[in-house]
Amino acid sequence: QKEVEQNSGPLSVPEGAIASLNCTYSDRGSQSFFWYRQYSGKSPELIMSIYSNGDKEDGRFTAQLNKASQYVSLLIRDSQPSDSATYLCAVNKDNFNKFYFGSGTKLNVKP
Amino acid sequence: KAGVTQTPRYLIKTRGQQVTLSCSPISGHRSVSWYQQTPGQGLQFLFEYFSETQRNKGNFPGRFSGRQFSNSRSEMNVSTLELGDSALYLCASSPGWGASGETQYFGPGTRLLVL
Repeated sequence: QKEVEQNSGPLSVPEGAIASLNCTYSDRGSQSFFWYRQYSGKSPELIMSIYSNGDKEDGRFTAQLNKASQYVSLLIRDSQPSDSATYLCAVNKDNFNKFYFGSGTKLNVKP
Repeated sequence: KAGVTQTPRYLIKTRGQQVTLSCSPISGHRSVSWYQQTPGQGLQFLFEYFSETQRNKGNFPGRFSGRQFSNSRSEMNVSTLELGDSALYLCASSPGWGASGETQYFGPGTRLLVL
C-alpha cells in the first residue's frame, strides 16, 4: 500500500467551476499535509499547508483535512485555465522533513 | 529573497559514469532535501540534510549519496549510473528548526538523462 494515494486523473472541469482533488494517506500518525501545484516541465510550488482537522481557506483554494478518515482534499473555486496543472499531495509523519508525495492528479480546466 | 537554485539544469551521462548535482537553499534555510521524480514512481524522497548531517534517508541504494556544507549548500552524487536513474532531481529547502513538516520550497530541478 502506498503512503499517499491520489487519483491520477485527468480531472476535467469547465472554467468557473469548482475542482475537487482528493488524497488519502495510510499512516494514522501523519502530522502535516501539503498541496503543491506542478506545471509541466516545472518544479512543484506550494499552494497551502494544513495541520488540523477542518477547513483552511486561502483565496480560491480550500484545503480540508479529516484525520479520522485519513483524507485530505483541495477545492479550487472559480477554476481558471491557468489552474491546469498536476496537483501533488504531500504528507509528513512527524519525522523532520521526510515527506511522502502522492503521484499527483492532473487537472484540466477548459475555457 | 532569492529562491532555491540548482546546477546544472540539464545533464546527459552514460551508464557507469557518476554525477554530482548542486543545490543552494534559500538564504537562512538550514534544511535541504533531495527528491527524485520520474513518470512511473512520482516524487520520491532521497535524503535530508540539516547542519551538515544527514537527518533522514529514503529507500534508495547506496549509489545515491549526499553532503551538506557549512554554508548549507548541498550536493548529491550518483555513482555507477543506470538507465533507470534518468529523472528530474529536485532539491527543496526549509528553515530546518521545526520538529517536523516545515514548508519546503523547491528548486527548478536538474534533469538527468542516462544513455
